Amino acid sequence: GAGVSQSPSNKVTEKGKDVELRCDPISGHTALYWYRQRLGQGLEFLIYFQGNSAPDKSGLPSDRFSAERTGESVSTLTIQRTQQEDSAVYLCASSAVPGSLAKNIQYFGAGTRLSVL
Amino acid sequence: LAKTTQPISMDSYEGQEVNITCSHNNIATNDYITWYQQFPSQGPRFIIQGYKTKVTNEVASLFIPADRKSSTLSLPRVSLSDTAVYYCLVGDTAVSSGSARQLTFGSGTQLTVLP
Repeated sequence: GAGVSQSPSNKVTEKGKDVELRCDPISGHTALYWYRQRLGQGLEFLIYFQGNSAPDKSGLPSDRFSAERTGESVSTLTIQRTQQEDSAVYLCASSAVPGSLAKNIQYFGAGTRLSVL
Repeated sequence: LAKTTQPISMDSYEGQEVNITCSHNNIATNDYITWYQQFPSQGPRFIIQGYKTKVTNEVASLFIPADRKSSTLSLPRVSLSDTAVYYCLVGDTAVSSGSARQLTFGSGTQLTVLP
């Protein structure tokens, strides 16, 4: 596709349920990022994937959060036993890292709005 | 990790030039400065990026002083459609394999353009 695609666009779930959020990056982009954005706040880094390297999980807020990426394609962010404080927009971005001196511009999807009741 | 500080909000009128300054006192040698724009219910969108001095593209200019501890995004002749949140991001664009960088966008600057 032309840009980063995220699904679903909206997700309403009950407290305690598990949810999976999907991100389709731009084809050929080796780097993929997940962010969380609470209402009226900035972006909070969650996790970063770069090629076949081990992901940087340092931003994940708890062990209820996990993410996977298959090669350099689709990524899923899983939140287990959701809590009301998990309600937020979850944004995915991808970027191309063609070389050490290249610009690393992130291209964002529209996000998934998660509401935990 | 370079922390950034921006004003929370700014108001302007249509047709005026708007300058938004971002402070990043502990910027590292390899860090680039990137600005993004975000409209409600959308993901951020890249505006401009620079390393030092001045960069200009079709939508904005970016001024970076010699010490690189701050940067100023300049939007010429703003219109109502420029109302958005603007984020300054400082980080190493040379992301090497096996070495990821935690990225912090901060709270951004809400620019409101008035008629």
